[in-house]
Amino acid sequence: GDSVTQMEGPVTLSEEAFLTINCTYTATGYPSLFWYVQYPGEGLQLLLKATKADDKGSNKGFEATYRKETTSFHLEKGSVQVSDSAVYFCALRTGNQFYFGTGTSLTVIP
Amino acid sequence: DVKVTQSSRYLVKRTGEKVFLECVQDMDHENMFWYRQDPGLGLRLIYFSYDVKMKEKGDIPEGYSVSREKKERFSLILESASTNQTSMYLCASRRGAGELFFGEGSRLTVL
Repeated sequence: GDSVTQMEGPVTLSEEAFLTINCTYTATGYPSLFWYVQYPGEGLQLLLKATKADDKGSNKGFEATYRKETTSFHLEKGSVQVSDSAVYFCALRTGNQFYFGTGTSLTVIP
Repeated sequence: DVKVTQSSRYLVKRTGEKVFLECVQDMDHENMFWYRQDPGLGLRLIYFSYDVKMKEKGDIPEGYSVSREKKERFSLILESASTNQTSMYLCASRRGAGELFFGEGSRLTVL
């Protein structure tokens, strides 16, 4: 069945470090891909999305490119801030269903 | 601004009690969802609804039921709470094939 696998955390980085969170997927058909972020004590918010191969989603300095050949949608940010500390979820949508990864906790230290 | 509101942020219940979790959205979305979130397991779909009075089972419906009497409201019911239902519950809504909008979550502890 359809599924998402993302790198396990927790991840701890110093402020201004480069961030990569890996995400790969298995899907039939042509899924849309998403990154959601969950700040402490809150629900999930959409961070960025891509709906077809080679699309790049971007928001708040984060980027991810839909790579059909490697079935990947890795999240990157060039310089993280303390305020980026959160849990990040990769997700795919096929038809009416969403499938989420297990989440990657990121802590950024000053 | 879009809004999904969950009635209770934190609940503590005893084993065997009936629990109601309420969710209201103000975006006129036809689709609504209940997920539970557990460490290391991510989000798992409990139930979803495409329209008023319609419901579909998700991946883990056992021990839960839902009610959707009005378009804006989707309730999750635990008929007899058990300790293994201690979790974070997230409600979400969506228009058509668009993105999911989530509430802030309801953290339930069953003693």
